[in-house]
Amino acid sequence: SQELEQSPQSLIVQEGKNLTINCTSSKTLYGLYWYKQKYGEGLIFLMMLQKGGEEKSHEKITAKLDEKKQQSSLHITASQPSHAGIYLCGADRMNNDMRFGAGTRLTVKP
Amino acid sequence: DAGVTQSPTHLIKTRGQQVTLRCSPKSGHDTVSWYQQALGQGPQFIFQYYEEEERQRGNFPDRFSGHQFPNYSSELNVNALLLGDSALYLCASSLFRTARSYEQYFGPGTRLTVT
Repeated sequence: SQELEQSPQSLIVQEGKNLTINCTSSKTLYGLYWYKQKYGEGLIFLMMLQKGGEEKSHEKITAKLDEKKQQSSLHITASQPSHAGIYLCGADRMNNDMRFGAGTRLTVKP
Repeated sequence: DAGVTQSPTHLIKTRGQQVTLRCSPKSGHDTVSWYQQALGQGPQFIFQYYEEEERQRGNFPDRFSGHQFPNYSSELNVNALLLGDSALYLCASSLFRTARSYEQYFGPGTRLTVT
């Protein structure tokens, strides 16, 4: 099994709807990162969470870290077609050695 | 300021052949990490180069090797290609002295297809 499990694997939502993507770690989380990837392209950094209970927002995207549950959630409010892509969570293992989940593919229907 | 660049964009090779992928880090960065991303999966760490030496290595066979040049650019070499090596190969650059992985900047990747 993967060190980082993401759910759901894929998500189709209507434009304007809210959605949540989850990332659960099998190991203690020290740093949790969210990236977005357009199909077949490089990763774009979204947010980093380090402390339990930490919550960060960027535009309509909010990420939270529950250290006790070793989980993080990414919430998108009022989704837009520009939000479509693959969302990946990553966790530090060592300096610059990051482990990734398998990703959640988001489709936003106009 | 150019970000991380990779070449070529796409590559098609035959089983048993060898391939070299190239990466130029973001200006000011001295560390290059390589990842392999199979279709539908998250990136898997291959190795990291700093000061022209391999500093860390993931669970990849010796067929995967690399090099870093004095200008910090890097190459990934894969020998005796297998069908399973088909993937998107991502390069990420960063500053070695920082332990904060979010400061990794990823390139657009090289899509390798092995037939």
